[in-house]
Amino acid sequence: DAMVIQNPRYQVTQFGKPVTLSCSQTLNHNVMYWYQQKSSQAPKLLFHYYDKDFNNEADTPDNFQSRRPNTSFCFLDIRSPGLGDAAMYLCATSEGLAGARGGQYFGPGTRLTVT
Amino acid sequence: RKEVEQDPGPFNVPEGATVAFNCTYSNSASQSFFWYRQDCRKEPKLLMSVYSSGNEDGRFTAQLNRASQYISLLIRDSKLSDSATYLCVVNIGYSTLTFGKGTMLLVSP
Repeated sequence: DAMVIQNPRYQVTQFGKPVTLSCSQTLNHNVMYWYQQKSSQAPKLLFHYYDKDFNNEADTPDNFQSRRPNTSFCFLDIRSPGLGDAAMYLCATSEGLAGARGGQYFGPGTRLTVT
Repeated sequence: RKEVEQDPGPFNVPEGATVAFNCTYSNSASQSFFWYRQDCRKEPKLLMSVYSSGNEDGRFTAQLNRASQYISLLIRDSKLSDSATYLCVVNIGYSTLTFGKGTMLLVSP
């Protein structure tokens, strides 16, 4: 089945220790997104790639970076995690941008704990 | 006015009931509208797109009211398995979607 895969599902890191979350997709979608979701809040878009074109949201902290080496993979790097970065990180894909009728397809998420 | 606004609930309904949620959006130029379902500690899953003419998928009916800038989701004959948070999603800008905080539904036996 075509899908969006995230690894690891649970990640524990220490305050200030860099961490990388990964996402892969078999849907061959050209757009990939990273969202941060905290408890009882809406998913908050961090950035997205349209093919290799990177688009950062204005309020995404510099602490968050992303890489997309090819169509299938996308990584989220948190350079110096703080306690406030503990959250669920969701990767999503779509065929085309927001105007497309297909919506976005989400991976199962990585739950990040910062100690 | 918030970009996408939903009543957080929870909506407590018995099995078999009909329940409806509304969601208001701020940008009159928005073109894409969706309802997602999110179970506790899981990822959002696309429930249905919302088309201008309204659309139905089994027990679920979605409507769009452009004049008043809201979309609605109607669930008929509620099942226990319908218990979840329902997220309203709208394109505010050109390229991305904005999520509401969600409306929690609890269906009881």
